[in-house]
Amino acid sequence: GQNIDQPTEMTATEGAIVQINCTYQTSGFNGLFWYQQHAGEAPTFLSYNVLDGLEEKGRFSSFLSRSKGYSYLLLKELQMKDSASYLCAGLNDYKLSFGAGTTVTVRA
Amino acid sequence: ETGVTQSPTHLIKTRGQQVTLRCSSQSGHNTVSWYQQALGQGPQFIFQYYREEENGRGNFPPRFSGLQFPNYSSELNVNALELDDSALYLCASSPGTANTEAFFGQGTRLTVV
Repeated sequence: GQNIDQPTEMTATEGAIVQINCTYQTSGFNGLFWYQQHAGEAPTFLSYNVLDGLEEKGRFSSFLSRSKGYSYLLLKELQMKDSASYLCAGLNDYKLSFGAGTTVTVRA
Repeated sequence: ETGVTQSPTHLIKTRGQQVTLRCSSQSGHNTVSWYQQALGQGPQFIFQYYREEENGRGNFPPRFSGLQFPNYSSELNVNALELDDSALYLCASSPGTANTEAFFGQGTRLTVV
């Protein structure tokens, strides 16, 4: 399985950049997901990394280093609607193992 | 909209009762996974169904069981409900067991009193 570690909370100002780090155990690893979850709603897919490097999708980018068991999600030009929980999940065979989530609060 | 629908959206049950939650997978997806998300926690994997068979299971007791139907929709059954079963139950569908394209439904909020 995977032990997924990510910070509990982060706060940033509208228009700023925030980086959410995630570390995981590397055994049996098949890829790393990031999901966004607003309170009371289902997680929505943001990114999936299976190879080392940076993947950019508009304001959101995700990075993976398989050798270090490390990923980050970068949120640029923060907007108030980006206030949510961000979940890091490791894929081990067929199973997604989630971290507890990082609550990001965007302030005006 | 992911095309994955769950019912009901909210449910209140009494300790000791049984509950059935339902999930319709996205068109073209033959794999359904169920997760339990307690308040303030990440989702925890319960089990996965592929072509009507259980394909893997997390660390949940046997009173958590499931079914998948020929149209790939799925049910999660929980017997002998306990207070700690109160959580958001999420269903995710994917086009294969590799789960590299898993999309979640809106969840069922179960409260056990």
